[in-house]
Amino acid sequence: EVHLVESGGGLVKPGGSLILSCAASGFTFTSHAMSWVRQAPGKGLQWVSIIGRDGRLTVYADSVKGRFTISRDNSKNTLSLHLTSLRDEDTALYYCAKGLGVEVPETRVFDYWGQGTLVTVSS
Amino acid sequence: EIVMTQSPATLSMSPGERATLSCRASQSVSSNLAWYQQKPGQAPRLLIYGASTRATDVPGSFSGSGSGAEFTLTISSLQSEDFAIYYCQQYDNWPLTFGGGTKVEIK
Repeated sequence: EVHLVESGGGLVKPGGSLILSCAASGFTFTSHAMSWVRQAPGKGLQWVSIIGRDGRLTVYADSVKGRFTISRDNSKNTLSLHLTSLRDEDTALYYCAKGLGVEVPETRVFDYWGQGTLVTVSS
Repeated sequence: EIVMTQSPATLSMSPGERATLSCRASQSVSSNLAWYQQKPGQAPRLLIYGASTRATDVPGSFSGSGSGAEFTLTISSLQSEDFAIYYCQQYDNWPLTFGGGTKVEIK
């Protein structure tokens, strides 16, 4: 059974930094692209970033480009997101999501999601 | 950026009724369109990808159609567990984008 468990969220001041992690199990981690998707309180879904199965491909939403860095450790089945220069509008529940397929474009469809970790940016 | 527009924002339906949800893309996304269901306090659940392919364990009451820029999610007969928010997502171009959601509520 696929499990994705996020951690690392919390309260941080504007301009601060945070590292989110996602522990994956129940599937061949090295075969799937992974993404982060966020949801501000009471709002819809916003895709944040994706990383290819070997870590070479990374793509970001414009709103986080240059501030967030996605990475993965295939030896530990772990996905990470390093958040810097945080803004109020980054406040959201951050989900880790697994890519459906092993080939494009189904790598960009999310078939399993974690329960999310909450990031609150406030002074 | 491809803008995904869902309508209506809210759909008030009775159990057993047929629900039709729409999703429009600001440009063609071919068939690279997925639908998700989200219930309060839960993570989204993949329902449909490739515009019309049901994901694993999704009931046959859910069906997707469309291509290009116009898509539809149909729930043939609403069950109590189907009342939720539904999002469409295009995965044809970067950035990946979601629609604003349609809330299906009990009338």
